[in-house]
Amino acid sequence: DVKVTQSSRYLVKRTGEKVFLECVQDMDHENMFWYRQDPGLGLRLIYFSYDVKMKEKGDIPEGYSVSREKKERFSLILESASTNQTSMYLCASSSPGKGREKLFFGSGTQLSVL
Amino acid sequence: DAKTTQPTSMDCAEGRAANLPCNHSTISGNEYVYWYRQIHSQGPQYIIHGLKNNETNEMASLIITEDRKSSTLILPHATLRDTAVYYCIVRVEGNQGGKLIFGQGTELSVKP
Repeated sequence: DVKVTQSSRYLVKRTGEKVFLECVQDMDHENMFWYRQDPGLGLRLIYFSYDVKMKEKGDIPEGYSVSREKKERFSLILESASTNQTSMYLCASSSPGKGREKLFFGSGTQLSVL
Repeated sequence: DAKTTQPTSMDCAEGRAANLPCNHSTISGNEYVYWYRQIHSQGPQYIIHGLKNNETNEMASLIITEDRKSSTLILPHATLRDTAVYYCIVRVEGNQGGKLIFGQGTELSVKP
């Protein structure tokens, strides 16, 4: 089975801190995605990557950046965390080709910024 | 991508079939219907997808009406572990894929 692993299940940070959220997948997927999920707003796409060193902005990239140095790893960076970035962060991966809309999600990181 | 409409919540008795409807009246000819679910405190999980034919896998069946304006996800024998939020998503299969838009979904409660 595909496994998408997010480094932390719960994270508490202070305003202004630099925060790294790590995601690793073990199925050699080209595509990787970062979403955030908030009550009443559903899942919103922050950034995605279709290849190593490649990144594209999603719907809400402000305040975030990403890094994809290796195929299996996709990191989300909050350069200076703010309280409005308190959220559940979900990483996903998929493979291009047939069934490319079939995303595999990690369990999520609940980030609290105080 | 076409907009979808789902009931906010539904109940189902354990062991009975759960039928979750989705309306997508503005769907276009090359848009697929995808279903995902999200169990509490977990990431979403892919269930099934289809274009115009009915589909079945080990998790569920997907029935798409002939005019493709609506579909129904069927869990044939619901268990307590099927309690989750179910998302219906309509999407053109993109060149690379994956930029899915998740709405509010249907919160299914399976009761003993």
